[in-house]
Amino acid sequence: QVQLVQSGAEVKKPGSSVKVSCSASGGNFFTYTFNWVRQAPGQGLEWMGRIIPMLDEANYAQKFQGRVTITADKSTRTAYMELSGLRSEDTAVYYCADSSRRYFDLWGRGTLVTVSS
Amino acid sequence: DIVMTQSPDSLAVSLGERATINCKSSQSVLYSSNNKNYLAWFQQKPGQPPKLLIYWASTRESGVPDRFSGSGSGSDFTLTISSLQAEDVAVYFCQQYYSPLPTFGQGTKVEIK
Repeated sequence: QVQLVQSGAEVKKPGSSVKVSCSASGGNFFTYTFNWVRQAPGQGLEWMGRIIPMLDEANYAQKFQGRVTITADKSTRTAYMELSGLRSEDTAVYYCADSSRRYFDLWGRGTLVTVSS
Repeated sequence: DIVMTQSPDSLAVSLGERATINCKSSQSVLYSSNNKNYLAWFQQKPGQPPKLLIYWASTRESGVPDRFSGSGSGSDFTLTISSLQAEDVAVYFCQQYYSPLPTFGQGTKVEIK
């Protein structure tokens, strides 16, 4: 069964960085398009960026440009999202989601990142 | 960015009654070359990721009950739950994937009256 498995919860200090992973089980890794979407507590969904492993090309929402880096490792079938310069407003659940068919039909279970001093 | 606006923000419906959620995009998400609306609907329950219900505005995802239906075109869309069940209590989001920058509506909370 195809699924996206994300890394566990993180607690980080303001100003530090966090790297969240998303491993794809099943299917051809190069057919995936990995998106990262975050959801602050009690809030809506916010798209951060995506990577297409086949092209090794990443795109980012302007809001996160310069702070986020999305990569993919084909040897481990894993996508990564690294967010730097963390602040309290970055406390959220971070989801990876596949959009290889354009719509987001496969989601990971989410990774809670808490930013607190 | 394409702004997605849902209405209402919340609604309470009696079991077995119809629930209707609207979603309006700030520009058309209809791609003329293939006549497809790049619009999806998701259901999210507490502590869970969003679950895809509808894509291409009106195509039901496999396994989704047929009481869920999507309609609309261009900039105005509707998600209808024809007969609300207890397990449908959730927040519902619309999303456009027409633009390279996907955007979501703010969400509509559905409760039992």
